[in-house]
Amino acid sequence: EVQLVESGGGLVQPGGSLRLSCAASGFIFSDHYMDWVRQAPGKGLECVGRTKNRANSYTTEYAASVKGRFTISRDDSKNSLYLQMDSLKTEDTAVYYCARTISSGHDYWGQGTLVTVSS
Amino acid sequence: IQLTQSPSSLSASVGDRVTITCRASQGISSYLAWYQQKPGIAPKLLISAASTLQSGVPSRFSGSGSGTDFTLTISSLQPEDFATYYCQQLISYPLTFGGGTKVEIK
Repeated sequence: EVQLVESGGGLVQPGGSLRLSCAASGFIFSDHYMDWVRQAPGKGLECVGRTKNRANSYTTEYAASVKGRFTISRDDSKNSLYLQMDSLKTEDTAVYYCARTISSGHDYWGQGTLVTVSS
Repeated sequence: IQLTQSPSSLSASVGDRVTITCRASQGISSYLAWYQQKPGIAPKLLISAASTLQSGVPSRFSGSGSGTDFTLTISSLQPEDFATYYCQQLISYPLTFGGGTKVEIK
């Protein structure tokens, strides 16, 4: 059974940093692209960034809203995905989901972890 | 690429036929997915490649379209279908979503 479990969310002050983790199981993690998708309270969905698989050199891509502040990484030996978030802004407040990505969409999602940026 | 969903919300009764549209700001061929999201739960992939139903998704859901105009149809609305629906383009990063359509009970 495919499972994705996020952790690391919490309350942080503006300008602060936070690192999210996503533990994957039930599939060959190294074969897949992985994405972080966020949802601000009461709002829609936004793809924050992605890491491609080993076959595609683990290339990362980011939304313009987070480029230069957020860094995605992965450790295939630990079946884990990470999101390092620096210089956080109040508008980064959201539930952050990790999602497995195939050519046709995000077929598995984690339960999400809430990040609140507030003073 | 911007995706515009309409309507943003609708009220319908059990058994109604419901149609949601998604328009892309430029052609995306059939690189479009539809998701269903219920409150407090992660989205669920319903349809990929504009019209391919995911395994386990009831056949009352269907998708159509290509290029810039797409449609999600629920042929006979069931109580468990009350949720918010999003389209997403998959042709270029960032993979953008439509603004969502909330389907509410009439």
